[in-house]
Amino acid sequence: EAGVAQSPRYKIIEKRQSVAFWCNPISGHATLYWYQQILGQGPKLLIQFQNNGVVDDSQLPKDRFSAERLKGVDSTLKIQPAKLEDSAVYLCASSPRNIEAFFGQGTRLTVV
Amino acid sequence: TQLLEQSPQFLSIQEGENLTVYCNSSSVFSSLQWYRQEPGEGPVLLVTVVTGGEVKKLKRLTFQFGDARKDSSLHITAAQPGDTGLYLCAGAGGDNFNKFYFGSGTKLNVKP
Repeated sequence: EAGVAQSPRYKIIEKRQSVAFWCNPISGHATLYWYQQILGQGPKLLIQFQNNGVVDDSQLPKDRFSAERLKGVDSTLKIQPAKLEDSAVYLCASSPRNIEAFFGQGTRLTVV
Repeated sequence: TQLLEQSPQFLSIQEGENLTVYCNSSSVFSSLQWYRQEPGEGPVLLVTVVTGGEVKKLKRLTFQFGDARKDSSLHITAAQPGDTGLYLCAGAGGDNFNKFYFGSGTKLNVKP
């Protein structure tokens, strides 16, 4: 079974630029999560989708972050404009039953 | 707000030693997961526990879920250098759709 796919693996941008991350979850998983993981910390939930609907985006900085999950499969997370403190690993995860989550390899973003 | 507290934060031991990592919360979870994360990779699911008092074994790793479903422990017997990594616990809970709340992690280094 293919795992969660994310791209790109690495991205370096200047502050105030925009960036987008892509995630393809495990086939058949209805729930998709985006997490932000700052070095040395545990992942922090940014947004949770159930199929193509948002069920929790309370910790998403909506002035600069946006996410969508068209057709309930793939998802994109966008940051515009980026700040230095956005430097982190962005993890996508999917879940079949909301009991356990399976993660992709993540995208390491560096904002300079 | 950190729902899950992990201890210790850092652990450096010699190969062959035993160790225990703790994950504590004042909240009740419907299930709890343990993940291991290596540098540059996403978290990899090790185990899911769902029943209070449940004990699961995975080779040299023993996982226990507290009776009240608020805490968990991970015990490693005869640690090996390959066990080195960041160990994360995550509790699943929520009103309608389960969210996964992560602890801050325990960074384990096993020296040969």
